[in-house]
Amino acid sequence: ETGVTQSPTHLIKTRGQQVTLRCSSQSGHNTVSWYQQALGQGPQFIFQYYREEENGRGNFPPRFSGLQFPNYSSELNVNALELDDSALYLCASSTGTSGGAGVKTQYFGPGTRLLVL
Amino acid sequence: QKEVEQDPGPLSVPEGAIVSLNCTYSNSAFQYFMWYRQYSRKGPELLMYTYSSGNKEDGRFTAQVDKSSKYISLFIRDSQPSDSATYLCAMSAGDSSYKLIFGSGTRLLVRP
Repeated sequence: ETGVTQSPTHLIKTRGQQVTLRCSSQSGHNTVSWYQQALGQGPQFIFQYYREEENGRGNFPPRFSGLQFPNYSSELNVNALELDDSALYLCASSTGTSGGAGVKTQYFGPGTRLLVL
Repeated sequence: QKEVEQDPGPLSVPEGAIVSLNCTYSNSAFQYFMWYRQYSRKGPELLMYTYSSGNKEDGRFTAQVDKSSKYISLFIRDSQPSDSATYLCAMSAGDSSYKLIFGSGTRLLVRP
């Protein structure tokens, strides 16, 4: 186990609704990255937070937003849910510096499985 | 064309076989190369990490990176049924976020 926890484990929403997913980082880690993994695909980078600031964003629309809190836990918010948002959402925590997130020390949580009907 | 290509499998081998998993990539800026293992309904688990070209060995696992060919490999010796999982290659250019670019994963089944 990595020490990264995510909640909830499963979630069912309907199209147009909003959802908030949560991630608790491994102790001592100050950087959180979020990934979306569609069925049968590899994870895709959504964005990253380093010390409460966004530090890089993938090719996702603005309705995907996030927060990082002073204790380095994090939230992923998705507005106006679409059917294609159905996926496993993964967070990865790491120890970053001002120069980067520590690529080899990204530890993934178990994910939240979101189903949009 | 995807930045990272990986054969989805499934790959089925008998217990004890040597397994070879591969990825190709198109972005010459990638410097960091990783292999993750993902069991069903779990998050990815880092298996191997390599910086730039070369080989790295850890127990039954060997990772190889050939930057000139833009090709990386993971070899598993003496494969076990517990190795049955999806194997994901991942790469990073080492930009400020060190974001990982993943392949689509190869499903491996090791038959007892």
